[in-house]
Amino acid sequence: QSALTQPPSASGSPGQSVTISCTGTSSDGGDYNYVSWYQQHPGKVPKLMIYEVSKRPSGVPDRFSGSKSGNTASLTVSGLQAEDEADYYCSSYAGSNNYVVFGGGTKLTVL
Amino acid sequence: QVQLQESGPGLVKPSQTLSLTCTVSGGSISSGSYYWSWIRQPAGKGLEWIGRIYTSGSTNYNPSLKSRVTISVDTSKNQFSLKLSSVTAADTAVYYCAREETYGDYVDYWGQGTLVTVSS
Repeated sequence: QSALTQPPSASGSPGQSVTISCTGTSSDGGDYNYVSWYQQHPGKVPKLMIYEVSKRPSGVPDRFSGSKSGNTASLTVSGLQAEDEADYYCSSYAGSNNYVVFGGGTKLTVL
Repeated sequence: QVQLQESGPGLVKPSQTLSLTCTVSGGSISSGSYYWSWIRQPAGKGLEWIGRIYTSGSTNYNPSLKSRVTISVDTSKNQFSLKLSSVTAADTAVYYCAREETYGDYVDYWGQGTLVTVSS
């Protein structure tokens, strides 16, 4: 079965950059090309921040960027702001198993 | 602007079947290339993808839940539904319905979520 692994926590000071990783582990050869990222503040509905690895929906600040190398996707938040403190989840289509999987989530703390 | 709203019992007894409906407004559930999905989140834990349905009726399910899950669609009512059988306390969670792009498999619209508690 496919899985996406994220670090449980990440942190940075205001103005700094932080990168959150998301590593796919799959026995089905899935290439995780369709990686998306979601931001979730406590008690709120998740919000799409990045789709198809590196595309930003309208309205998402360009401080948020996505990339991928091999089986690891990354979300980078530049110029950290207090409002960026939230949980972040990666997600991907899990190859030939034909379903979607979420990472375990990363709690981003702005120091 | 598409909106999704979950509805259904907030309390389900163990071993029974959890049933939720998602009503879509602001657009036809039959239009466009979208999946209609269910995702859940236990309190204090991460997101878990449950499954999805295309308007043709084809479905995909999380392998870990597949034996207990049924997702169906009623295009005449602009609704889709989730049934999860033989529930236990581990199925207690906030359940979200969502719209998922077929190309890219990402969720662009979410419902507000509904808490379902499994308890006797």
